Amino acid sequence: AQKITQTQPGMFVQEKEAVTLDCTYDTSDPSYGLFWYKQPSSGEMIFLIYQGSYDQQNATEGRYSLNFQKARKSANLVISASQLGDSAMYFCAMSLSGSARQLTFGSGTQLTVLP
Amino acid sequence: DAGITQSPRYKITETGRQVTLMCHQTWSHSYMFWYRQDLGHGLRLIYYSAAADITDKGEVPDGYVVSRSKTENFPLTLESATRSQTSVYFCASRGTNTDTQYFGPGTRLTVL
Repeated sequence: AQKITQTQPGMFVQEKEAVTLDCTYDTSDPSYGLFWYKQPSSGEMIFLIYQGSYDQQNATEGRYSLNFQKARKSANLVISASQLGDSAMYFCAMSLSGSARQLTFGSGTQLTVLP
Repeated sequence: DAGITQSPRYKITETGRQVTLMCHQTWSHSYMFWYRQDLGHGLRLIYYSAAADITDKGEVPDGYVVSRSKTENFPLTLESATRSQTSVYFCASRGTNTDTQYFGPGTRLTVL
């Protein structure tokens, strides 16, 4: 069965510092995608970053980077230079095998950025 | 405006009533999805659709019905609402050549 695990229910980081949010996954499918979404207190789900299982390089999008370690089955999100607006819930997700490639989500990490 | 919209944004209903949540996207995406998010949890897939008139069950389909007569619309119906269906419902869509799903703003449903 495919599964996403986020072991940090809550994290704190000082403004302007970097923070790593952990995500591990379990799948026997060789083809999959890994995602991070941000959910601020307003409730919307905002796509941040994507990593394909065959991608050789770690994905980056501005201050976000995905530390993809395939052998360890981990896909940690790194946020550099944290800002107060980064305070939110962060979800790791994986696309499943099959034509629909539907997503399975972890339970999320609540990040609080301290001034 | 282009994108994915949901209506209503908030709904309060009573046990046993039928409720329909609407989802509309303007990207002509083939794939559409319905998820529910319960307090303190991630999202769980209810139903998905690969194209008009093609739908399939997800992880938690019981008590829900979907249809997709047009590519841009994917309504979700609770045939007889129960308190356990109190949740936030998200619709999402993606194109054919990408895995990335884009989400609507969500509908907060309360069943009394």
